[in-house]
Amino acid sequence: AQSVAQPEDQVNVAEGNPLTVKCTYSVSGNPYLFWYVQYPNRGLQFLLKYITGDNLVKGSYGFEAEFNKSQTSFHLKKPSALVSDSALYFCAVRDPSGGFKTIFGAGTRLFVKA
Amino acid sequence: NAGVTQTPKFQVLKTGQSMTLQCAQDMNHNSMYWYRQDPGMGLRLIYYSASEGTTDKGEVPNGYNVSRLNKREFSLRLESAAPSQTSVYFCASSETPGGIGGYTFGSGTRLTVV
Repeated sequence: AQSVAQPEDQVNVAEGNPLTVKCTYSVSGNPYLFWYVQYPNRGLQFLLKYITGDNLVKGSYGFEAEFNKSQTSFHLKKPSALVSDSALYFCAVRDPSGGFKTIFGAGTRLFVKA
Repeated sequence: NAGVTQTPKFQVLKTGQSMTLQCAQDMNHNSMYWYRQDPGMGLRLIYYSASEGTTDKGEVPNGYNVSRLNKREFSLRLESAAPSQTSVYFCASSETPGGIGGYTFGSGTRLTVV
């Protein structure tokens, strides 16, 4: 069965510093991986995805993520954090050999301090 | 540019009451999904519809029913609400089953069962 873990409930970073939000996954086949962001009282917004190809994928708002198959990780990164990046971030995984279900992690709250 | 529209935004039910959550998308997407979001648990898939005319159970289908009324609309029904169904409910859609291009989410329905 597929699963995804976000080991940190909250990440704190100063504005201008690089940020990393961690995600690890477990699937039986090659994964489809996604990051979403949720602002207060809003639905989730798609940030980026890894399906195949280059391990470093770039997405919206300057975010990027690196797929590491040996470590089964898909960490979200940004070189320079903004206060406006403060939000709840969700990693999600789908095992394409296991149907159409996408499984979401529990979420990591990012707090960027000015 | 509505995207995915959910109604109502807020609802309070008494235990045992029934209600239907409505969802409509205007992007001509084939697939639609219902998730519930609970603190510390991320999003859990209740039901999904890979295409018009089909529905399938997700991770937590008990106590819910769905109807894919047409390509645009996918409703979620609680026949006899229980306090354990207090949650925020999100509808999502994707162009293809499983959302290889990512999901588009509605803004959510906050349901309280007392």
